[in-house]
Amino acid sequence: GQNIDQPTEMTATEGAIVQINCTYQTSGFNGLFWYQQHAGEAPTFLSYNVLDGLEEKGRFSSFLSRSKGYSYLLLKELQMKDSASYLCAVRDILTGGGNKLTFGTGTQLKVEL
Amino acid sequence: NAGVTQTPKFQVLKTGQSMTLQCAQDMNHEYMSWYRQDPGMGLRLIHYSVGAGITDQGEVPNGYNVSRSTTEDFPLRLLSAAPSQTSVYFCASSYSTGTGETQYFGPGTRLLVL
Repeated sequence: GQNIDQPTEMTATEGAIVQINCTYQTSGFNGLFWYQQHAGEAPTFLSYNVLDGLEEKGRFSSFLSRSKGYSYLLLKELQMKDSASYLCAVRDILTGGGNKLTFGTGTQLKVEL
Repeated sequence: NAGVTQTPKFQVLKTGQSMTLQCAQDMNHEYMSWYRQDPGMGLRLIHYSVGAGITDQGEVPNGYNVSRSTTEDFPLRLLSAAPSQTSVYFCASSYSTGTGETQYFGPGTRLLVL
């Protein structure tokens, strides 16, 4: 089975940097995803890591350490519109093909002036 | 492309009623999934499909059936609705890029079972 932990809530200031951590335990790791979900909307894809290291995409970066079972999402130059829930999800490859994502409960980020 | 579409957006059922949540995608994705999202529980996988004619159970399949007769459609059936099935249901589809698979989510169906 899998166990994914991330903080429930975080608050940060507009223009600042925030790091959202995710730790996981899994038997068949094959990639970690970060999704953003605004209230009442569907999750949208932010980033994907399968190898150790940092992946940068504009104001968003994601880091992975497979040996530590640890990832973080880094958001720079925070904007009010970044207020949302951020979901960490771990992928397992299925025996019959395809992928299965197991999601954490999400981190609710509030960006303040 | 419309992406992933779901109908209805909202539904109220009485305990014991049955209904089908529709999901369709026009991206020719092989993989489709159904999730439910409950407060404090995160997204949980109900059923998934790796292609037409192939389905399998996820983490919380009880009370739900699926079928995949075409690549485009993946309906979710509630056989006899229970209050515990009150939730937001998301359908998702994905493709394989070789370096990662991005799941595209539909807008969700909000279901209330009385």
